[in-house]
This record gives sequence, structure tokens and C-alpha cells, in this order.
Amino acid sequence: ILNVEQSPQSLHVQEGDSTNFTCSFPSSNFYALHWYRWETAKSPEALFVMTLNGDEKKKGRISATLNTKEGYSYLYIKGSQPEDSATYLCAFILRTGFQKLVFGTGTRLLVSP
Amino acid sequence: GAGVSQSPRYKVAKRGQDVALRCDPISGHVSLFWYQQALGQGPEFLTYFQNEAQLDKSGLPSDRFFAERPEGSVSTLKIQRTQQEDSAVYLCASSRRGESETQYFGPGTRLLVL
Repeated sequence: ILNVEQSPQSLHVQEGDSTNFTCSFPSSNFYALHWYRWETAKSPEALFVMTLNGDEKKKGRISATLNTKEGYSYLYIKGSQPEDSATYLCAFILRTGFQKLVFGTGTRLLVSP
Repeated sequence: GAGVSQSPRYKVAKRGQDVALRCDPISGHVSLFWYQQALGQGPEFLTYFQNEAQLDKSGLPSDRFFAERPEGSVSTLKIQRTQQEDSAVYLCASSRRGESETQYFGPGTRLLVL
């Protein structure tokens, strides 16, 4: 059984705080890791696709790192804003997985003004 | 350009009723996926199409679930004789091609079976 774990399950921070989340996944047969942001009543929005060990990607105030050997990825948000409030999902693809995403349960972030 | 669209956005069905959920992928996208998200869980894979070919249906929970993409564009997920445990958000995603391609998601259909 493939298991993707995300922590924490939920997080409540104040505007301006920096925060980070963890995604753990099986390290064998790894192909790619995706991060998505999902705001209520909207479509999940792709943030990053990461494939190489040691990858670091950045999009505005959000960045992510990848360690495929130990099976984890970190997502960082610098200077959180209320509009960052959303559920952040990670998902990985097995080498033989026909592109299907295996998701974690997500980290729900609430940023208060 | 237009993103992935799904209809209806909300569906309430009586137990035993058949439902059909529609997905319009991004034009030109070869790959199409269906996922099911139960309350409190992450989305779970249901099925995958490459053009009109259904290459993987290993995630369909029972033979009451059926998906098709007859012309390689629009897809329909059909659930026969709905049960309460079918209540979930059904997400559709499409991508161009390739195993590390971004999957673009629609807003989902929230199905409630009473």
C-alpha cells in the first residue's frame, strides 16, 4: 500500500509568519512529486512538479525542496498572507504509475490578518 | 485559455439513482484522470485515459462505476445505483502528455447521496 503522509494536518498562523509543511512518501520507484494549493470552492492549483533529488523550486513567496533518497519534501511559505489560506496537497507518481497521482491528506493552512 | 470544467458542480441523488458526471478537459490534452475525494481524505485515483483509451481503471471502487471518453476529449463518469458511501467530491484532471507533466484540475463535482 502506497502511503503519502503530510504534516501538520492543520496550521493557524498570523499574517507575516513564515511556515513550512512536510510531505513524506515511499522513496523506492519514485518518479515525480507534485504540490497543489486548493482553495475552497476552486480548482486545485498546481504549484510545483519536482523530479530530481535536491530540486528546489520557487514561486513568489512559496518554495519547495525535494529529497528522493529519504522520501520527503518541504513546502515553505515566507511572510504568510490571508490569501495563502488553503489546503496544500502533495502527491507523488510511481515510476510505473501511468502518471496517476497518489495524494496525501493535505495540510490546511489558515492565515489570520 | 479555458481550464478544465466539470458539470454539474453539485448533485444530490437518492440512493439507488444513477448519476453522470461530465468533464471537459483542456483542449488538446491527451491524458485525462478522475479522482474521488471523500471527506477528510486526499483525492484518490479512479481511472486514466490516454485519448479515448482507458489505460488504467484500477481505482474504480466497484462495477457500479463506469467511465468513458469516446472521442478522446469530453469524459463522463457514471455511477449506477448510487450508495451513501459514494458521496464525495469527484475531480477531473487533464495533462498534455508525459509522466512528469502538470495535471490541471477542474473544480470538482460534489455528490451527495441521501
